[in-house]
Amino acid sequence: EVQLLESGGGLVQPGGSLRLSCAASGFTFNNYALSWVRQAPGKGLEWVSAISGGGGSTYYADSVTGRFTIFRDNTKNTVYLQMHSLRAEDTAVYYCAKDAVGLGTATHFDYWGQGTLVTVSS
Amino acid sequence: EIVLTQSPGTLSLSPGERATLSCRASQSVSSTYLAWYQQKPGQAPRLLIYGASSRATGIPDRFSGSGSGTDFTLTISRLEPEDFAVYYCQQYGSSLTFGGGTKVEIK
Repeated sequence: EVQLLESGGGLVQPGGSLRLSCAASGFTFNNYALSWVRQAPGKGLEWVSAISGGGGSTYYADSVTGRFTIFRDNTKNTVYLQMHSLRAEDTAVYYCAKDAVGLGTATHFDYWGQGTLVTVSS
Repeated sequence: EIVLTQSPGTLSLSPGERATLSCRASQSVSSTYLAWYQQKPGQAPRLLIYGASSRATGIPDRFSGSGSGTDFTLTISRLEPEDFAVYYCQQYGSSLTFGGGTKVEIK
């Protein structure tokens, strides 16, 4: 059974940093790209970032480029999202999502975690 | 960036009725790289349709997707009580973007 378990969310002040983790199980981890998708309270979904199965290729939404970094440790079956210079508009539930296809780039998502809430506020 | 516009914003229907949800792209979505998701309150999204018309594993056949280019449709042939939720389209032909969602509510 595929499982994705996010952690690391919490309350952080504007300008602060936070690192999210997503521990995965139930599939061949390094064969699949993984993404982070966020959802602000009461709003829709926004793709944030993706990383290829081997970790050599990364992709970012314009809204987070230069502030967020995605990376993965294939020995620990874990993907991370390092977030810096956080803003109020980054407040959201952050979901980890597994790519359905298994290619290097992100496409569509067949499994999602339950999400971790990040609140940016003073 | 490809912008996806979903309509209507809210659809009020009764169980047993047919639901037709629209997703319009600001430019052509290559190779029908379009997916649909269902999200219920407090839950993560669930993949329904990919490649514009292929049902994901375990998705009932009352859900169907169609369209190409800039116009896509998700149809639920007969609404079941568990189908009342928010639906999102997502394109993956040029980076990734989601539509704003359509809420299907009980009339």
